[in-house]
Amino acid sequence: GAGVSQSPSNKVTEKGKDVELRCDPISGHTALYWYRQRLGQGLEFLIYFQGNSAPDKSGLPSDRFSAERTGGSVSTLTIQRTQQEDSAVYLCASSPRRREQYFGPGTRLTVT
Amino acid sequence: GENVEQHPSTLSVQEGDSAVIKCTYSDSASNYFPWYKQELGKGPQLIIDIRSNVGEKKDQRIAVTLNKTAKHFSLHITETQPEDSAVYFCAASIGFGNQFYFGTGTSLTVIP
Repeated sequence: GAGVSQSPSNKVTEKGKDVELRCDPISGHTALYWYRQRLGQGLEFLIYFQGNSAPDKSGLPSDRFSAERTGGSVSTLTIQRTQQEDSAVYLCASSPRRREQYFGPGTRLTVT
Repeated sequence: GENVEQHPSTLSVQEGDSAVIKCTYSDSASNYFPWYKQELGKGPQLIIDIRSNVGEKKDQRIAVTLNKTAKHFSLHITETQPEDSAVYFCAASIGFGNQFYFGTGTSLTVIP
């Protein structure tokens, strides 16, 4: 079946602009995660959605970052007033339980 | 919070040899330890996982061992093949919490 998809695959934006990154999880998966991966580094947790529960936003690095998940499916990560340090690959993962995660291919964000 | 350390950061082996990657964690409450393989331009893919009530788990050429007392776990790949070349990440999860804590990754190169 279809895996997790993310769009766009690449995004180049100017410093100060807002960007929206999209994640389409695997159908039926109740949990959805966003991570940030800087070049050559591990995965940094950003936010987690589980069903209709309030999201765990404890990993968001600043109030410029926000995410929503509509209808328990598609999620959008928004970064406002982008900075150069926001440049990274943003990964989305979904899970049928609070365990195995299935990752999308990521969105590579470059802030110039 | 949890801290996961991973070693080595790079590893080169000859085809057919074994590769071992080690991770340590700090929080004794962690009880789920997945390993991910990330190929260039792709999202991480779960390759094997282990729970704290098990000391070892094997899946064909891949095995994971867990030492709860020492708080470390290792990935073993036997009879390595060029297609095993990738970046490998370990992770730890505490109880049924939402966050996964990732190691910084090991870049494995299998030399034909």
